[in-house]
Amino acid sequence: DIQMTQSPSSLSASVGDRVTITCRASQNIDSYLNWYQQKPGKAPKLLIYATFNLQSGVPSRFSASRSETDFTLTISSLQPEDFATYYCQQSYSSPLTFGGGTKVEIK
Amino acid sequence: QVQLQESGPGLVKPSQTLSLTCTVSGGAVGSGAYYWSWIRQPPGKGLEWIGYIFYNGATYYTPSLKSRVTISLDKSKNQFSLKLTSMTAADTAVYYCARVATTVVDDLYYFDYWGQGTLVTVSS
Repeated sequence: DIQMTQSPSSLSASVGDRVTITCRASQNIDSYLNWYQQKPGKAPKLLIYATFNLQSGVPSRFSASRSETDFTLTISSLQPEDFATYYCQQSYSSPLTFGGGTKVEIK
Repeated sequence: QVQLQESGPGLVKPSQTLSLTCTVSGGAVGSGAYYWSWIRQPPGKGLEWIGYIFYNGATYYTPSLKSRVTISLDKSKNQFSLKLTSMTAADTAVYYCARVATTVVDDLYYFDYWGQGTLVTVSS
């Protein structure tokens, strides 16, 4: 199975901050990487698919990038509604696997 | 607007079989354009993909659960279902159903619509 390792596992930030979350794959997954946002008690919501592509309706302050097996999700200016847990997920090979999550908390 | 809704028991006894159903509205499970998936999340933990099914009945399961899982499709009711046998406390989780979309060019899979989730507790 491909292991997805997210860092940090949690972070504290203020409204307006630039936030970066990293996801590392245990092997090459090309650009087969998606990002989700999950708020407490709610289902995950798709933010970005295929490494770079913003899902319809997702604000442009969210962006993502890739460097080989390292993937980054960036929130350019953190908003109050962005406090949540973020998960990466690979679909390069079965079984589909998720990262352990990064919880973004209010400083 | 696509919507998914899980239904099933909230409490299952150890060794019993869990049966959950996902009812889809705003899209046809038999359309051939999407896969239909189950994902679970133990309380306070991360997400685990269980498996998915295609419109033609082809199924794909995570190896760790493959011996206990069956996902099936009911096109007449626009539903798909999950059966998980030999339940233990380790199977206590919120179970989500989700639609799986794919990119045209490279066949990348992503979960674009999710149900709200249903908590299943395994306890005697």
